[in-house]
Amino acid sequence: DAGVIQSPRHEVTEMGQEVTLRCKPISGHNSLFWYRQTMMRGLELLIYFNNNVPIDDSGMPEDRFSAKMPNASFSTLKIQPSEPRDSAVYFCASRLGDLNQPQHFGDGTRLSIL
Amino acid sequence: GQQVMQIPQYQHVQEGEDFTTYCNSSTTLSNIQWYKQRPGGHPVFLIQLVKSGEVKKQKRLTFQFGEAKKNSSLHITATQTTDVGTYFCAGLYNQGGKLIFGQGTELSVKP
Repeated sequence: DAGVIQSPRHEVTEMGQEVTLRCKPISGHNSLFWYRQTMMRGLELLIYFNNNVPIDDSGMPEDRFSAKMPNASFSTLKIQPSEPRDSAVYFCASRLGDLNQPQHFGDGTRLSIL
Repeated sequence: GQQVMQIPQYQHVQEGEDFTTYCNSSTTLSNIQWYKQRPGGHPVFLIQLVKSGEVKKQKRLTFQFGEAKKNSSLHITATQTTDVGTYFCAGLYNQGGKLIFGQGTELSVKP
């Protein structure tokens, strides 16, 4: 079975540019999560969706970050404009069922903003 | 706010030695999950503990959930080089319903 698929795997861009990260959750999973991982701050939850509806976006750093889930099989995390401090590994995870179920993580996108 | 503290941040052991990482929450957890992240990889679910005082084993790994459901530990007996990685606990609170990850414990094993 295919796991959570993220693209791109690596992204290097200059500050000020728009960055779009993509995620395809595991088929049938009804919750989707976006995390950011850095050495300083660890693994931070940015936003999560349940049945395509954003439930909690309190972890989104600021207005430069936005996330959408137009359907059950696709989500995007957009940063516009990007800044060097946004450099991190961004993980998408999905979950089937209720809160007690495990989250399945994608391979992540390693983002570097120059 | 809801926060899960995990210690130690790093642990270096000789192969064959034991390893333990601890998680603490100031408020009661609904359940706790444990994940392992290999270097350069992504977190992978290991196990979930739900009941007060619960103990679960996976081969050389032993997971415990405290009686008050505020702390948890992961113990690895006789570490192997394949155990290398970062171990995260993640607590689920009744309020909010989101998983809060600890800072992780990075384990390195010297052969």
